[in-house]
Amino acid sequence: DAGVTQSPTHLIKTRGQQVTLRCSPKSGHDTVSWYQQALGQGPQFIFQYYEEEERQRGNFPDRFSGHQFPNYSSELNVNALLLGDSALYLCASSSPSVTITDTQYFGPGTRLTVL
Amino acid sequence: KQEVTQIPAALSVPEGENLVLNCSFTDSAIYNLQWFRQDPGKGLTSLLLIQSSQREQTSGRLNASLDKSSGRSTLYIAASQPGDSATYLCAVNGDYKLSFGAGTTVTVRA
Repeated sequence: DAGVTQSPTHLIKTRGQQVTLRCSPKSGHDTVSWYQQALGQGPQFIFQYYEEEERQRGNFPDRFSGHQFPNYSSELNVNALLLGDSALYLCASSSPSVTITDTQYFGPGTRLTVL
Repeated sequence: KQEVTQIPAALSVPEGENLVLNCSFTDSAIYNLQWFRQDPGKGLTSLLLIQSSQREQTSGRLNASLDKSSGRSTLYIAASQPGDSATYLCAVNGDYKLSFGAGTTVTVRA
């Protein structure tokens, strides 16, 4: 049973560019959440997608947007990249359509470096 | 807004010593609390999940307690090993999203 997968593993971009990160949830999960983890910090919640809609959003600017596809996979898009966007981006999947008390499972992350 | 604090930020112990990691949170209206392990540059591995109605959870050498009313959780790791060296993060689940502490970085010296 494949866990949560993310691509790419690493990415280097320059300021002002746009980036797309991808996530496939664990089998049987229908909800995907995205987190940003800066160096030395805990992950910060960006947003969550359920039934192809953004259900919740953290304190991130509109430059951060996302999408969920019918197969539950998800994309995170970041426009007009800033140096401060350099971080590890983590995707987590869960199935709160069943119960909110489910464990969230995290992928290995995408390391984004903005130069 | 939920605030999660982990103390200490870093810990170094000799092999065999027991580890005690602390987590506190400001809003007791949570569904559950999870402890994660993170190796450098890697994703998060779930260690233990404690539901809000539970007082503790155990898995092997790991034991986590939860006192929701006082906003505290403690992770105990018995008989530490060099392989336990990692960053340990606690996260509280409120309204579908996780709020994380900054983590405790543990080094177990052989």
